[in-house]
Amino acid sequence: DQQVKQNSPSLSVQEGRISILNCDYTNSMFDYFLWYKKYPAEGPTFLISISSIKDKNEDGRFTVFLNKSAKHLSLHIVPSQPGDSAVYFCAASVGIQGAQKLVFGQGTRLTINP
Amino acid sequence: KAGVTQTPRYLIKTRGQQVTLSCSPISGHRSVSWYQQTPGQGLQFLFEYFSETQRNKGNFPGRFSGRQFSNSRSEMNVSTLELGDSALYLCASSLPGDNEQFFGPGTRLTVL
Repeated sequence: DQQVKQNSPSLSVQEGRISILNCDYTNSMFDYFLWYKKYPAEGPTFLISISSIKDKNEDGRFTVFLNKSAKHLSLHIVPSQPGDSAVYFCAASVGIQGAQKLVFGQGTRLTINP
Repeated sequence: KAGVTQTPRYLIKTRGQQVTLSCSPISGHRSVSWYQQTPGQGLQFLFEYFSETQRNKGNFPGRFSGRQFSNSRSEMNVSTLELGDSALYLCASSLPGDNEQFFGPGTRLTVL
């Protein structure tokens, strides 16, 4: 039972353009969502997060949008840079108690083309 | 501040053997979580330890176990290895009540 789904295994975007990565979830109890970025041979690195009381959170070039009614979140990267090429995971948790028990999507491999 | 360290980085074992992986969290972090990453299943939660107690557990068989020491270092053990246990095992640490987890580089386990 995949509670967090990233339906696009890969995405290719031209440098300077917007990258949009999508994530859907099924568990209504999830109330905190995170995006992680992973390079080969390294562990995932935290990128940005959003609480269910918000619908948008911005940090520099990265913005996460949350649509609770659709159980959907997306990560926007503007402008995309070659260094953004990595695998992106979205993750969800239930409350602070569940913070250390993240449920991850399967990841989307983002490739930024020069 | 040193990051999360995991040892060994690579390991090759044969079916039926057992293996122990080690994780040292960031100084001051008392929560340690373990995840398994495979190409087919993505990142899956194994278990979480806090103050030497297992606080959360994922849906893995009893062959997978762990423990945490008083200095917050953690180990996970897999007994009677199966081919399907080949994966990247990631450890993450966090501060109590903090949603952000910091991951180590992982241990790549290959079971032949």
